[in-house]
Amino acid sequence: DQQVKQNSPSLSVQEGRISILNCDYTNSMFDYFLWYKKYPAEGPTFLISISSIKDKNEDGRFTVFLNKSAKHLSLHIVPSQPGDSAVYFCAATLSGSARQLTFGSGTQLTVLP
Amino acid sequence: NAGVMQNPRHLVRRRGQEARLRCSPMKGHSHVYWYRQLPEEGLKFMVYLQKENIIDESGMPKERFSAEFPKEGPSILRIQQVVRGDSAAYFCASSPGLEREQYFGPGTRLTVT
Repeated sequence: DQQVKQNSPSLSVQEGRISILNCDYTNSMFDYFLWYKKYPAEGPTFLISISSIKDKNEDGRFTVFLNKSAKHLSLHIVPSQPGDSAVYFCAATLSGSARQLTFGSGTQLTVLP
Repeated sequence: NAGVMQNPRHLVRRRGQEARLRCSPMKGHSHVYWYRQLPEEGLKFMVYLQKENIIDESGMPKERFSAEFPKEGPSILRIQQVVRGDSAAYFCASSPGLEREQYFGPGTRLTVT
């Protein structure tokens, strides 16, 4: 039972344009969401997070939007750069002592020069 | 400030041998998490530890796998009598405490021949 889903395995975007990566979740108890970027043969790198009490969080070129009623979040990267090419994972966590991250299966972003 | 360290980076074991994976958290971090990534999949939670305590091992297989985080030294993930299905990338993450963000090491790639 996949509680966090990334339905697009891959996405290609032209350099300078906006990249939009999507993520859906089924567990309404999740209250904190994170995005990680991963290059081959490296560990995931934390990008940005959002609490369920917010609907938007911005950090430089990265913005995460949360739609709780739709159980959907998205990561916007503007402008996209070739160095952004990587696998992006959405993750979610519960409040309280259960600290484990539940990950989606990832989306491979390719930014074309 | 050094990041999360994992060693070895690559480990080859024959079926039936033992594998020991080590993780040193970031300085000041007292919470350690282990995740496993099978090919073409997202990361799956295995176990969450604090110093000398296992907090949550709900993702750990019941047999052959164990984890510890002693008072001194790194966290160890131990896999006894490895089988081919144990071949995967094993990632360790750490967090300082109450914060939800986890910071990942580079991973150990285990190959069972």
